[in-house]
Amino acid sequence: SQELEQSPQSLIVQEGKNLTINCTSSKTLYGLYWYKQKYGEGLIFLMMLQKGGEEKSHEKITAKLDEKKQQSSLHITASQPSHAGIYLCGADMFPYGQNFVFGPGTRLSVLP
Amino acid sequence: DGGITQSPKYLFRKEGQNVTLSCEQNLNHDAMYWYRQDPGQGLRLIYYSQIVNDFQKGDIAEGYSVSREKKESFPLTVTSAQKNPTAFYLCASSLQGTRGYTFGSGTRLTVV
Repeated sequence: SQELEQSPQSLIVQEGKNLTINCTSSKTLYGLYWYKQKYGEGLIFLMMLQKGGEEKSHEKITAKLDEKKQQSSLHITASQPSHAGIYLCGADMFPYGQNFVFGPGTRLSVLP
Repeated sequence: DGGITQSPKYLFRKEGQNVTLSCEQNLNHDAMYWYRQDPGQGLRLIYYSQIVNDFQKGDIAEGYSVSREKKESFPLTVTSAQKNPTAFYLCASSLQGTRGYTFGSGTRLTVV
């Protein structure tokens, strides 16, 4: 089984709708990173969360890390076609420094 | 502009041949990484290097080899011993001790 789970696996939304992607672990996360990937391209770093309860926003994307530091959500407000792609979470897990893992990704399509 | 360059973007290899994927960065990053991406499995770490002339195996190193003779360069060789080499390969770099990776645009390798 994956150390990081993401849900949903894929998502199709109408332009202008809000959406949420989740990243979950059974272990405590020392740092949670969100990346975006367009098909066939590299990953672009979006945000990093470290503290329980932390929340960060960039333009229309907000990421939160829960108090237990085992779950993160990525929320997109008023989605646009430019938001389409694969969103991956990545995390530092115990023991710190060696075991950075990625989730399987969530594929987002935004219909105009 | 600083960045990380992977070449070629597409690569075809015959069974039984070795092939080398190039990764060059001009970000002055200490650490460099090679990941393999397969559909539905996220990214898996092949090799990583934190300093010149030193590298460590990741989770799926079998059938691959690397070198780190220069800080800027971290080439990956996919050998004939790799049983299922067809995949999307991503190179990344980061400052020592950070996980906000900068990714290259990837190389798609197909064995024919």
